[in-house]
Amino acid sequence: DVKVTQSSRYLVKRTGEKVFLECVQDMDHENMFWYRQDPGLGLRLIYFSYDVKMKEKGDIPEGYSVSREKKERFSLILESASTNQTSMYLCASSFSPGPQHFGDGTRLSIL
Amino acid sequence: EDKVVQSPLSLVVHEGDTVTLNCSYEVTNFRSLLWYKQEKKAPTFLFMLTSSGIEKKSGRLSSILDKKELFSILNITATQTGDSAIYLCAVPNSGNTPLVFGKGTRLSVIA
Repeated sequence: DVKVTQSSRYLVKRTGEKVFLECVQDMDHENMFWYRQDPGLGLRLIYFSYDVKMKEKGDIPEGYSVSREKKERFSLILESASTNQTSMYLCASSFSPGPQHFGDGTRLSIL
Repeated sequence: EDKVVQSPLSLVVHEGDTVTLNCSYEVTNFRSLLWYKQEKKAPTFLFMLTSSGIEKKSGRLSSILDKKELFSILNITATQTGDSAIYLCAVPNSGNTPLVFGKGTRLSVIA
């Protein structure tokens, strides 16, 4: 079974802090994705990566950056957290073509 | 702009009922349509559909795609309380792998 592991289930941070969300997959997938999920807005793509050291902006990249130094790990960085970044963050990975497999999510609260 | 629209947005049924969830899409260079189920944590993959008219089935769940009319349906027969979840439909966007998600259908099955 595919395993996508996100480092934290729940996280509370303060405005202005730099926040790191980590995601690791164990299936040698080349593609990795970060989404946020908000009520009424559904899943929105923040960034994705097709390969190591490669990144592409999704629909809502503002205020975020990513890092993919190793194939199995994809990190999402909130450079200076703001309250409107309070959300559920979901990481996913996949082969091309193929379905995306999701981690359990990180519920992030910015106070 | 690529678009995925799901209906209804929410649905309440009694155990034993049969439900049909709808997903319509607009995307150039269609390749596939995916269904996910999301309970309290991560979306879990249900089906990937690529060909019109071929039903995919898993237990009480089944799904079919109509590429001419640009929609898919997900059927659940003899619903159980464990079917309560958000059901998400997604298609890869015109550019490449990232998925465009619908806003989901929240299904509640009551005893």
